[in-house]
Amino acid sequence: AQSVTQLGSHVSVSEGALVLLRCNYSSSVPPYLFWYVQYPNQGLQLLLKYTTGATLVKGINGFEAEFKKSETSFHLTKPSAHMSDAAEYFCAVSEYGANSKLTFGKGITLSVRP
Amino acid sequence: EPEVTQTPSHQVTQMGQEVILRCVPISNHLYFYWYRQILGQKVEFLVSFYNNEISEKSEIFDDQFSVERPDGSNFTLKIRSTKLEDSAMYFCASSVLTASNSALHFGNGTRLTVT
Repeated sequence: AQSVTQLGSHVSVSEGALVLLRCNYSSSVPPYLFWYVQYPNQGLQLLLKYTTGATLVKGINGFEAEFKKSETSFHLTKPSAHMSDAAEYFCAVSEYGANSKLTFGKGITLSVRP
Repeated sequence: EPEVTQTPSHQVTQMGQEVILRCVPISNHLYFYWYRQILGQKVEFLVSFYNNEISEKSEIFDDQFSVERPDGSNFTLKIRSTKLEDSAMYFCASSVLTASNSALHFGNGTRLTVT
């Protein structure tokens, strides 16, 4: 069975600081990994995905994530936080491609201080 | 950019009543899904639908739930007799056929409140 662990529920950074949101997964087969962002009163928007190939994946809004099989991790980073990055971030895993079910982590709320 | 559209944005219903949540997936997408998020909890998979039939469902998706694609554009989730614990945000999603390059596109959700 697949699962996702996102430790902590809230991360607060200063504007311009590094953003690091952690995600660890468990999967019995090579996983497909995703980060979604949810702004208040909106749906889930895809930030980036890892399917196969290059382990460093770049997404929208300057975010990137690195798939590390040995650490079963897929941490999300952004070099310089912007106020508009304040949102809830969800890591998700799928075992058979995006067309099979996604298992989500519980999400992390990112706050950005001026 | 094409979007998944969900209506209504907020639905209030009384316990025991039937409710239908509606979704218009992106037009060239062939896989359709419902997920839900109870307040403060994880986003949970309910059901996936492809080629006019359910392809996978979770243990949450019991006989009280059903899905339908009544025409070429809509995808609905019906809850026959709502319970208090059905109160949640329900998300519809869709994706294209090619698994390796696809990802789910989500709607903005319908907040269902059962009183």
